[in-house]
Amino acid sequence: AQTVTQSQPEMSVQEAETVTLSCTYDTSESDYYLFWYKQPPSRQMILVIRQEAYKQQNATENRFSVNFQKAAKSFSLKISDSQLGDAAMYFCAYRSAQGGGADGLTFGKGTHLIIQP
Amino acid sequence: DTEVTQTPKHLVMGMTNKKSLKCEQHMGHRAMYWYKQKAKKPPELMFVYSYEKLSINESVPSRFSPECPNSSLLNLHLHALQPEDSALYLCASSQVPGLAGDNEQFFGPGTRLTVL
Repeated sequence: AQTVTQSQPEMSVQEAETVTLSCTYDTSESDYYLFWYKQPPSRQMILVIRQEAYKQQNATENRFSVNFQKAAKSFSLKISDSQLGDAAMYFCAYRSAQGGGADGLTFGKGTHLIIQP
Repeated sequence: DTEVTQTPKHLVMGMTNKKSLKCEQHMGHRAMYWYKQKAKKPPELMFVYSYEKLSINESVPSRFSPECPNSSLLNLHLHALQPEDSALYLCASSQVPGLAGDNEQFFGPGTRLTVL
């Protein structure tokens, strides 16, 4: 079974600064997807960024980028120019790409991100 | 339309009640999911439907009964729940593997369930 570990229960950053959230995972599979989801206090889970394991290039979405280290099984999220609206719980998630069927997501415990004005 | 809707938003029920949660999507997705999320915890997978057939049941108690009447709708029927079943129930949908966009799950806002 796959596991996802987020070792930072809470992080705080000043507005406009950069913050990095850590995520490691354990799997014996070679083909999978990794995601960062954001869940603000209003509860709607929103996809921030995705990474396919077969791609060596790190994914980037505007102010959000990842550092994907497949050999180290590490998948960190960098948020640049932090904004008040970035305050939320951030979940790292894993999904298998093997087996041919639809699979659910395996989530880490989450990191609560606080933005200081 | 990239929205997953869930009704009701809030539900309070007694342990002898029967109720249903509903989820709907019109993105043409053929995979749909139920997750349970306790406060300050990550979502935990309950069920997966693929092409309207149940493909994964994560050893969920029988007091939770999923149903997928068509490709747009997903229900979760609740009966004889326990107070520890109180949680946020999230529905999600995605394309099935092999189709474009199959790697992203879209989540609904959830139903906050309280069992008295």
